[in-house]
Amino acid sequence: EPEVTQTPSHQVTQMGQEVILRCVPISNHLYFYWYRQILGQKVEFLVSFYNNEISEKSEIFDDQFSVERPDGSNFTLKIRSTKLEDSAMYFCASSEGLDTDTQYFGPGTRLTVL
Amino acid sequence: AQSVTQPDIHITVSEGASLELRCNYSYGATPYLFWYVQSPGQGLQLLLKYFSGDTLVQGIKGFEAEFKRSQSSFNLRKPSVHWSDAAEYFCAVAAGNDMRFGAGTRLTVKP
Repeated sequence: EPEVTQTPSHQVTQMGQEVILRCVPISNHLYFYWYRQILGQKVEFLVSFYNNEISEKSEIFDDQFSVERPDGSNFTLKIRSTKLEDSAMYFCASSEGLDTDTQYFGPGTRLTVL
Repeated sequence: AQSVTQPDIHITVSEGASLELRCNYSYGATPYLFWYVQSPGQGLQLLLKYFSGDTLVQGIKGFEAEFKRSQSSFNLRKPSVHWSDAAEYFCAVAAGNDMRFGAGTRLTVKP
C-alpha cells in the first residue's frame, strides 16, 4: 500500500541553523501539507500546497518557514533560522484532492533544537 | 474557522470494556470529520471519516463513530477494547485545505 515517507526520522540542530525536512507524498496525490506537534500538545496545521504554490497557511507559518516541491516526488519544509520553540514533531501529509479526500500522514520527523 | 474539542484528556478502561471518546466540533457548514490514532513515536493513522450519508460510520480495528449534527458531536466508540488500542486519539475537522485537530485523548488500557 502506498504511503507517505519522511526523512530524517530525527534531526538535531543548533539554534539559528537552517533545517530542511523532507517528505515523499503518495505518488498520485496533488495536495501536500505540513503539520507540527509540539511535545504533549495538539497537532497544528502549518501549510498546504497545490500546483506549486501555497494554498493556505496558518499563523504559525511565518517568514522563517518555506515549502518547496523541488522535483516530481519530494516536498520539503525549510526552517531558515531555527528557534528553541521549533522543537516538535513535523508531519507531512498528502491527499488526492480537497475536502472529501483523506489526508494520509507520514511517520513524522522529530526536530530537536538545542 | 473550524475547531474541535476533545473534552477528555485521558481515559482509562479495562481490557474488554466498551469505549467512547468524545469529540465536539464547531463549523458553520457541513463538516468533514475524522478520527486518527497515534501510537507512541508513530505517525497518524486514519481510523474513520465522515463526509455525508449514513451518520454511523465504520472504521478499522473495530471502531465506529456517530455524527450527530444536533449535538455537533462525532464520538468514537468500540464495544470491546484490546490492550493494543492504547494510544492517543485525535478528532479532526476539515474545511478545504485546512484540517484542525483536537487536543487528543490518551487511552490507557488496564489488563
